[in-house]
Amino acid sequence: KAGVTQTPRYLIKTRGQQVTLSCSPISGHRSVSWYQQTPGQGLQFLFEYFSETQRNKGNFPGRFSGRQFSNSRSEMNVSTLELGDSALYLCASSLDLTFGETQYFGPGTRLLVL
Amino acid sequence: GESVGLHLPTLSVQEGDNSIINCAYSNSASDYFIWYKQESGKGPQFIIDIRSNMDKRQGQRVTVLLNKTVKHLSLQIAATQPGDSAVYFCAEENTGNQFYFGTGTSLTVIP
Repeated sequence: KAGVTQTPRYLIKTRGQQVTLSCSPISGHRSVSWYQQTPGQGLQFLFEYFSETQRNKGNFPGRFSGRQFSNSRSEMNVSTLELGDSALYLCASSLDLTFGETQYFGPGTRLLVL
Repeated sequence: GESVGLHLPTLSVQEGDNSIINCAYSNSASDYFIWYKQESGKGPQFIIDIRSNMDKRQGQRVTVLLNKTVKHLSLQIAATQPGDSAVYFCAEENTGNQFYFGTGTSLTVIP
């Protein structure tokens, strides 16, 4: 079974721009979670989607948004980029977090904001 | 609020020795815990998990211990190898179906 895939792997943007990241979960997985990873803050939860609905949301500003499609693929969008948004953005999928299923991570998208 | 902490940010061990990585959690309602390994340039990789109804779980060369009384989790790696060098994260899942991660412990294996 293929693992979680994320595209693109690397991105360079400038302040004020917006960016869209994509995540394809493991086949059969319906839950997709997004995390931001920085050296200082570690892994921080952004949001979780299940069956095209946002089920949980972390403590991030409204500039961070996401969506999930009927095939469980997910995208996250960051608008009006700030320097502090530079980070590794990780996507994780599971069968269903509600039942304590294990999350499996993708390789991440490394975003650099200049 | 939630907090998941690791006792040491870095750990160096000799090849062949056993490694122990510790983690403290604060939410007594957390019922599922996972250890992840993250190598440079890669996403976290699942190592082993444990549910709150267990005290110990063993995998291949790894053992996770859960002490609910003091809200402490540990990962033991037997016969540590150079390929074990990575950052290790513990994560807890609470009843809100969210995972909270520690900041990570960097393990360096000295040949």
